[in-house]
Amino acid sequence: QKEVEQDPGPLSVPEGAIVSLNCTYSNSAFQYFMWYRQYSRKGPELLMYTYSSGNKEDGRFTAQVDKSSKYISLFIRDSQPSDSATYLCAMTSSGNTPLVFGKGTRLSVIA
Amino acid sequence: EAGVAQSPRYKIIEKRQSVAFWCNPISGHATLYWYQQILGQGPKLLIQFQNNGVVDDSQLPKDRFSAERLKGVDSTLKIQPAKLEDSAVYLCASSLVTDQPQHFGDGTRLSIL
Repeated sequence: QKEVEQDPGPLSVPEGAIVSLNCTYSNSAFQYFMWYRQYSRKGPELLMYTYSSGNKEDGRFTAQVDKSSKYISLFIRDSQPSDSATYLCAMTSSGNTPLVFGKGTRLSVIA
Repeated sequence: EAGVAQSPRYKIIEKRQSVAFWCNPISGHATLYWYQQILGQGPKLLIQFQNNGVVDDSQLPKDRFSAERLKGVDSTLKIQPAKLEDSAVYLCASSLVTDQPQHFGDGTRLSIL
């Protein structure tokens, strides 16, 4: 079993839809959870950074962490064509241990 | 605030040749990371520096890869000799300290012929 599992998609939705992206993980020591957005031929850009369980909201983006189920989610409300990108989840147990990334989910928002 | 700068953006070499990548982190960031991202995969950490010291290089193929961060600012990553499986994007990231979020550059896309 891989440490972090992420459905690679691709996922195609119409503009304005609510998008749900998910990752599961096996290492119960993970405490820091991140979502990165990566446009084609660009580096990953940090979207959300959360510690431990709970929800965090930033504009149209909401990150959820359920440590009991080892499951994290990113919700995008009112999706826009500019949200079309690959979304990577990443997590670590502490600042001194490497980030472990999922494979990324490719999202296309169709106008 | 200027982001992480990397060069070159693209590099094409033949197998068994050598290549070097350069990274300039965000000003004041003590921690610097080099990642390898193979097509369709998430980034994989190769090496982590704290100032000019190595924190983690456990996944660096040391028989062919080397990295340095002289003076605790810029860093170079070198591959010698290159193999076909080294074709990937090499990403540099930096963070203020180790437990702060990492900010990535746009990477160097390496193709091995």
